[in-house]
Amino acid sequence: GENVEQHPSTLSVQEGDSAVIKCTYSDSASNYFPWYKQELGKRPQLIIDIRSNVGEKKDQRIAVTLNKTAKHFSLHITETQPEDSAVYFCAASLQGAQKLVFGQGTRLTINP
Amino acid sequence: GAVVSQHPSWVICKSGTSVKIECRSLDFQATTMFWYRQFPKQSLMLMATSNEGSKATYEQGVEKDKFLINHASLTLSTLTVTSAHPEDSSFYICSARRQFTEAFFGQGTRLTVV
Repeated sequence: GENVEQHPSTLSVQEGDSAVIKCTYSDSASNYFPWYKQELGKRPQLIIDIRSNVGEKKDQRIAVTLNKTAKHFSLHITETQPEDSAVYFCAASLQGAQKLVFGQGTRLTINP
Repeated sequence: GAVVSQHPSWVICKSGTSVKIECRSLDFQATTMFWYRQFPKQSLMLMATSNEGSKATYEQGVEKDKFLINHASLTLSTLTVTSAHPEDSSFYICSARRQFTEAFFGQGTRLTVV
């Protein structure tokens, strides 16, 4: 089955700097890659997603890149703000499958 | 966006009792729902896939007799933790996807077994 590895497990950046979180997946048949943000005690919320037919997607300060050949995708947050502090999860889904396989999570801390 | 509602948000129960957690999709029909368990500062561990009208599919290592899943309608799945013990204390969270798009999560249920 699919396996998703996420790095780093913790990340601390200065406010205003950029943050990058990376994930690799094992099954080349995966075609949907979402990123979720989870604040303490709350439910995960989708922040951006990408499908395998595109290489990059951007939404304001957030972008995701996908390298299908290398089977990895990354989340980029620019001009970080304190409210970006949370745990971020990447996930992957096989084509035609409903199940999402999640990475281990990255605890992002933005230092003012 | 679509909403998934989970109830209760927290529950405390005594060892040996059973606890039922409900997950509802409020504005779309979910033939498949997913139940996760999350330990503090850890990832979402998929426990089982709940299939409307049929048996749930459990992940390896998850005891199906302990974590009973029922998906009797297109909008409701329930997880029952039977004969709960302190080691079952955790954050349980459900999710549903609409047509292979975004997954929506319930609020989660914090279970404490004393």
